[in-house]
Amino acid sequence: EIVLTQSPGTLSMSPGERATLSCRASQRISNNYLAWYQQKTGQAPRLLIYGASSRATGIPDRFSGSGSGTDFTLTIDRLEPEDFAVYYCQQYDRSLLTFGRGTKVEIK
Amino acid sequence: QVQLQESGPGLVKPSETLSLSCTLSGASITTSYWSWIRQSPGKGLEWIGYNSYSGTTNYNPSLKSRVTISIDTSKNQFSLNLTSVTAADTAMYYCARVVLTHFDYWGQGTLVTVSS
Repeated sequence: EIVLTQSPGTLSMSPGERATLSCRASQRISNNYLAWYQQKTGQAPRLLIYGASSRATGIPDRFSGSGSGTDFTLTIDRLEPEDFAVYYCQQYDRSLLTFGRGTKVEIK
Repeated sequence: QVQLQESGPGLVKPSETLSLSCTLSGASITTSYWSWIRQSPGKGLEWIGYNSYSGTTNYNPSLKSRVTISIDTSKNQFSLNLTSVTAADTAMYYCARVVLTHFDYWGQGTLVTVSS
């Protein structure tokens, strides 16, 4: 089973800043089957990015994903007030899906 | 717009079976794969398994011996059965649509507590 490690655990940022979130896999993720989700308190996760870098429908272009192999990054340009939330990465490998433990982006 | 809605008991006794349903609107259950995911403070987000109309199923190995996900085309819904529950199964349970390798639509979630 591939284990995903997200860092940092918490990111304290100000609106307008750029946030960079990391997701590292214990093994290479084939075909870049890596997705990112945003979860706000009391809500279900929302798909942001799939295939490491493809934005889901309706996701603003300030959200971008990059990376390959074992190291992946979610970048949020110009943080908006509604972007403060918890972000999870998720991988697919040999019909199994696992999630990271999340990075909380909080207001500084 | 695809919408999913979970339903079922919020309280289950230890050793009993947890049963939840997910009703789908805006899409047919005969397309795509349909999944259950749970979230608890201790384990975070945990994929439980998925099923499809064609009968392709896949379960998390850690839960496989206790889990069944089934599809009811007449009601356009799918369901989760988790047997022999313990306090460790207390979590928010989500249903979601699987698109190949990720989950694009989620239900709002339903909290299930295992307690006597």
